Amino acid sequence: EAQVTQNPRYLITVTGKKLTVTCSQNMNHEYMSWYRQDPGLGLRQIYYSMNVEVTDKGDVPEGYKVSRKEKRNFPLILESPSPNQTSLYFCASSWGDSMNNEQFFGPGTRLTVL
Amino acid sequence: LAKTTQPISMDSYEGQEVNITCSHNNIATNDYITWYQQFPSQGPRFIIQGYKTKVTNEVASLFIPADRKSSTLSLPRVSLSDTAVYYCLVGDGYKLSFGAGTTVTVRA
Repeated sequence: EAQVTQNPRYLITVTGKKLTVTCSQNMNHEYMSWYRQDPGLGLRQIYYSMNVEVTDKGDVPEGYKVSRKEKRNFPLILESPSPNQTSLYFCASSWGDSMNNEQFFGPGTRLTVL
Repeated sequence: LAKTTQPISMDSYEGQEVNITCSHNNIATNDYITWYQQFPSQGPRFIIQGYKTKVTNEVASLFIPADRKSSTLSLPRVSLSDTAVYYCLVGDGYKLSFGAGTTVTVRA
């Protein structure tokens, strides 16, 4: 089944404790992206990757890191999480550029930083 | 990225047609118009995409006037399961902006 998976689905952590949220897709998509969703703000793009080893900042990259060493994986790293990073996170992938191609979203990761 | 404006919320009843209009006055020549649907606690799902005139699929229709400064998503004969947030996106390339979307509530 074609899908985007994220792990963990739920995570409660404390301020300053490094964490990684994994994202994997099995559709051989070139493009992958991370979003965060907060009440009333819609989805905001954090980082995106056009292909292996090619990443760029979205609208809200502060406090996040990403890497794209393999085509299928695009982990999101929070080196020192803070409470304002409490949010619902989505990973997505698509063929080619994201505006002209359907994006497939993962199930989401709900992160709480205490 | 072209800025989009859409209503915050809309109410409807089962069996009615729902039309959501999105304004995008500064749309660029190469920009496509894409709509996504999102249910609570789920990732958005692609509904439809178009460049000009009318596009129809099994879920919805997208109407785009000649000047492309707006677009209308039409959901025919909605059911309770169509209650969701609908996002209008305009752009070309890799950076996306979803905005707050339109919350559509369908009542029995």
